[in-house]
Amino acid sequence: QQQVKQSPQSLIVQKGGISIINCAYENTAFDYFPWYQQFPGKGPALLIAIRPDVSEKKEGRFTISFNKSAKQFSLHIMDSQPGDSATYFCAVLNQAGTALIFGKGTTLSVSS
Amino acid sequence: GAGVSQTPSNKVTEKGKYVELRCDPISGHTALYWYRQSLGQGPEFLIYFQGTGAADDSGLPNDRFFAVRPEGSVSTLKIQRTERGDSAVYLCASSLTAGPIYNEQFFGPGTRLTVL
Repeated sequence: QQQVKQSPQSLIVQKGGISIINCAYENTAFDYFPWYQQFPGKGPALLIAIRPDVSEKKEGRFTISFNKSAKQFSLHIMDSQPGDSATYFCAVLNQAGTALIFGKGTTLSVSS
Repeated sequence: GAGVSQTPSNKVTEKGKYVELRCDPISGHTALYWYRQSLGQGPEFLIYFQGTGAADDSGLPNDRFFAVRPEGSVSTLKIQRTERGDSAVYLCASSLTAGPIYNEQFFGPGTRLTVL
């Protein structure tokens, strides 16, 4: 059973547009929801994260929206830039608070 | 400061051979993790060390996979009798610690393993 479902699989956005990636999870015990960014040949890097006691967190052009009742969270990238072209992964922290469980990823391409 | 480093960056081996993959975590990080990332997929958890001990090895796919961290710093992932299905990028991550209050996991660049 896939514990984290991410969509879309790929996304093409024009420069200056808004990129939106969605994630749904199964287990209500999860309490940490990060988004990771990965460039080719590199390891994932933490972009932004949220805990379930808030519904939104913003850091620069990146915003996480969290809907606890729907068990969904999303990443919004405002004013998307070509340098944002990468693969984005949502993740949840397992119940033990140790391992991350990742979605399958979204490949974002921002055209200039 | 230096991030997580992994060696080799690429490893090509033949089916049935033994391989070792090395991870150097960020200095002072007590928690270390191994993940495996297949093409087009997200990383999948393999094993977690707190200090020298493997606190959670529930992600290891079978007994051909083994990992050690004898001095609580460098870790080695060992794969015996490699199979073509083991081909993937093996990622290592470290964090200050782990547990109820989450500490950010910092990932290395990975080792790309190809089994012919």
